Amino acid sequence: EPEVTQTPSHQVTQMGQEVILRCVPISNHLYFYWYRQILGQKVEFLVSFYNNEISEKSEIFDDQFSVERPDGSNFTLKIRSTKLEDSAMYFCASLRPGGLEKLFFGSGTQLSVL
Amino acid sequence: DAKTTQPPSMDCAEGRAANLPCNHSTISGNEYVYWYRQIHSQGPQYIIHGLKNNETNEMASLIITEDRKSSTLILPHATLRDTAVYYCIVRVRSGGSNYKLTFGKGTLLTVNP
Repeated sequence: EPEVTQTPSHQVTQMGQEVILRCVPISNHLYFYWYRQILGQKVEFLVSFYNNEISEKSEIFDDQFSVERPDGSNFTLKIRSTKLEDSAMYFCASLRPGGLEKLFFGSGTQLSVL
Repeated sequence: DAKTTQPPSMDCAEGRAANLPCNHSTISGNEYVYWYRQIHSQGPQYIIHGLKNNETNEMASLIITEDRKSSTLILPHATLRDTAVYYCIVRVRSGGSNYKLTFGKGTLLTVNP
């Protein structure tokens, strides 16, 4: 089965630093998402992206966050100035138009802000 | 999207059927029932979904009551690798960009040897 690929699997950064989390969605998918999961808590929606623009974002996705699809294959989440509370597992997901509406998730990037 | 209620945890013996219940008493006529699972902090994985008919695929079966107020996910022969948090999610099929899954706390299924 095709996979969503995320890199790196672990990222450690200092508070206030910028981080970029990278994702390669499944090749024929057109809808892209970022979710996050703080340790021991629910999986939370951050943002959805389609046709090179944000479709919807949650209240978590403030001005410190941005997303980009810089080329035909990558989808990135940038956190401009990380805070301790940004420490979480970040999941990228993608969806093919039509069909089952089956969301495919990557294996995640564990972000630790020190 | 309608709210769902699931037990926080369940146990199942290896090789036996695991039956995971979900209540969604406020479900609307155009809302589907989706099941995902998350194995040990990996990304959630789609299992199955349905509207009103029972559904079966290679992973599981989904039984939806006639009034659609509850459903049961059945793993027919649970293995140790089925130990995971299982999420029941109710949502309207919208198509594409506003497909936003809202995860609850789910049910932690522990399959015991």
